[in-house]
Amino acid sequence: QQPVQSPQAVILREGEDAVINCSSSKALYSVHWYRQKHGEAPVFLMILLKGGEQKGHDKISASFNEKKQQSSLYLTASQLSYSGTYFCGTEDAQGAQKLVFGQGTRLTINP
Amino acid sequence: EADIYQTPRYLVIGTGKKITLECSQTMGHDKMYWYQQDPGMELHLIHYSYGVNSTEKGDLSSESTVSRIRTEHFPLTLESARPSHTSQYLCASSEFKGNNSPLHFGNGTRLTVT
Repeated sequence: QQPVQSPQAVILREGEDAVINCSSSKALYSVHWYRQKHGEAPVFLMILLKGGEQKGHDKISASFNEKKQQSSLYLTASQLSYSGTYFCGTEDAQGAQKLVFGQGTRLTINP
Repeated sequence: EADIYQTPRYLVIGTGKKITLECSQTMGHDKMYWYQQDPGMELHLIHYSYGVNSTEKGDLSSESTVSRIRTEHFPLTLESARPSHTSQYLCASSEFKGNNSPLHFGNGTRLTVT
């Protein structure tokens, strides 16, 4: 079942913060986050496995709620290089270990 | 850096032709995937494989077929290409160790069927 991402698009000025959400109607086994720049392949950012987990590096972090039905990606003090489309990919708790992606969130950072 | 290669990078072909999109990885990953993505849109899983001789259909129905005779190779074939097959096809791989393995993507094949 495809996860739902929100918002669909975000436009920020450099230095502003952004939050991208990824939701499922049922508990998930894991959530992956990827960023894809125009004309390029998606690049892995991070995986969350445990309810209540938070992780991150530099100014990009993510959380996984206790019920394991929602994840959020946080981009703090955004840089121009953060521009791109962000996808969450999810695996069902009892799924076939296949990764299904949300519809993506297009992030544009302006100087 | 991930080593997963797709060829060709771009392909323009006429309706009715048979095509094979190549995907190879040198990381020894067991799991491989094919995703279809229209420009700026979401990724749709069309095929995946757990390992040699394993192939499964994804969530998006596709007229393409795949094979996995060798661990490193996961080609996708369209027997008779149609304009509706025009899209980008992304191959990916991951280690088969539970659910905490990231996907490594190739650069994709952009297919145009005229």
